[in-house]
Amino acid sequence: DVKVTQSSRYLVKRTGEKVFLECVQDMDHENMFWYRQDPGLGLRLIYFSYDVKMKEKGDIPEGYSVSREKKERFSLILESASTNQTSMYLCASSQSGGDQPQHFGDGTRLSIL
Amino acid sequence: AQRVTQPEKLLSVFKGAPVELKCNYSYSGSPELFWYVQYSRQRLQLLLRHISRESIKGFTADLNKGETSFHLKKPFAQEEDSAMYYCALKKPSNTGKLIFGQGTTLQVKP
Repeated sequence: DVKVTQSSRYLVKRTGEKVFLECVQDMDHENMFWYRQDPGLGLRLIYFSYDVKMKEKGDIPEGYSVSREKKERFSLILESASTNQTSMYLCASSQSGGDQPQHFGDGTRLSIL
Repeated sequence: AQRVTQPEKLLSVFKGAPVELKCNYSYSGSPELFWYVQYSRQRLQLLLRHISRESIKGFTADLNKGETSFHLKKPFAQEEDSAMYYCALKKPSNTGKLIFGQGTTLQVKP
């Protein structure tokens, strides 16, 4: 069974802090994704990566960056956290090709005070 | 631009009633469509995909290209079906990138 693990379930940070959210998958998937989930807005793609060191912006990349130094790990970085980044963050991974589904982690509920 | 629309934020039905969760999409090519579900305190997971033409937990969804819809249906709702449901569109490519709808909360009352 695919396992996508996000390092924290809950995180509280202060405005202006640099915040790291970590995600690890154990199925050698090529693709990894970061979303934020907000009521009424669904899931919005922040960034995705289709290979090590490769990344592409999603729909709402402003204020975020990512890092993929190893295939199994995809990090989301909030360069200078702001209150409007308070949200649920979901990481997902998938194999490339065909209709391969995305497999999600449990999510990190991030609060910026 | 590609878009997925789920017009209902909340759908409330009684146990045993039929359920239809609406999903409309805009895409000029041949879409790949999915339904994902998130039960309370669980991770988001795949429910079904149109290409498999399968029935999962009694749910089915038919792709209607003429109406650009992929509605999720179940003839008799169960209380355990209560969850958040997301429709998603994948562009045929190797990146696996999905476009999600806004989500519909299904509430099945006893």
